[in-house]
Amino acid sequence: QITLKESGPTLVKPTQTLTLTCAFSGFSLSTPRVGVGWIRQPPGKALEWLALISWNDDKRYSPSLNNRLTITKDTSKNQVILTMTNMDPVDTATYYCARTIALGSTTRELDYWGQGTLVTVSS
Amino acid sequence: QSVLTLPPSVSAAPGQKVTISCSGSSSNIGNNYVSWYQQLPGTSPKLLIYEDNKRPPGIPDRFSGSRSGTSATLGITGLQTGDEADFYCGTWDSSLSTWVFGGGTRLTVL
Repeated sequence: QITLKESGPTLVKPTQTLTLTCAFSGFSLSTPRVGVGWIRQPPGKALEWLALISWNDDKRYSPSLNNRLTITKDTSKNQVILTMTNMDPVDTATYYCARTIALGSTTRELDYWGQGTLVTVSS
Repeated sequence: QSVLTLPPSVSAAPGQKVTISCSGSSSNIGNNYVSWYQQLPGTSPKLLIYEDNKRPPGIPDRFSGSRSGTSATLGITGLQTGDEADFYCGTWDSSLSTWVFGGGTRLTVL
């Protein structure tokens, strides 16, 4: 059974750095073609892709947030960590992690999703 | 503004059929597989269709997908009130080197 679960602070202040952890089970990030991505969804709005890390440590970021994001993995702990710097109230959203399946150098689909964690940015 | 274009909303009566079209470009839908995601109210998105037209285990055959050129389409037959949800298309964008989503379509079953 494949599961993913996001954790991190529910409230951060403007300008602070957000660190989120995706803990997963039922698969390994050392398996070829497997990756973990982060997606967010502001209240009442659409999904927005943030970042992806692949089994071979290839990392991809949203062009619009590239300079604020860092994604890393700890294969032994089955965890993926996302950091986002300089948080702003517009970053208030539910943050999801999802398992990704690659096809060559592209991502083919996001087949399992976590439950999401709501992060509010406010002073 | 999303890279992929979806209609904001669609509606149909129970038992009827609805289609949702996702429009993109040659850098995304035109050259990469499309997947579809269903987000029921208050829940996380769920994979509905992958590789344009394949269903994961447990997804009923009332849901179908297709891709042609730079557009993809999700079809839902035999609509049920429990199908009311937001639907998203997604694919890889080879120019951006990142995943992209459509802006979401809200399905209402009248």
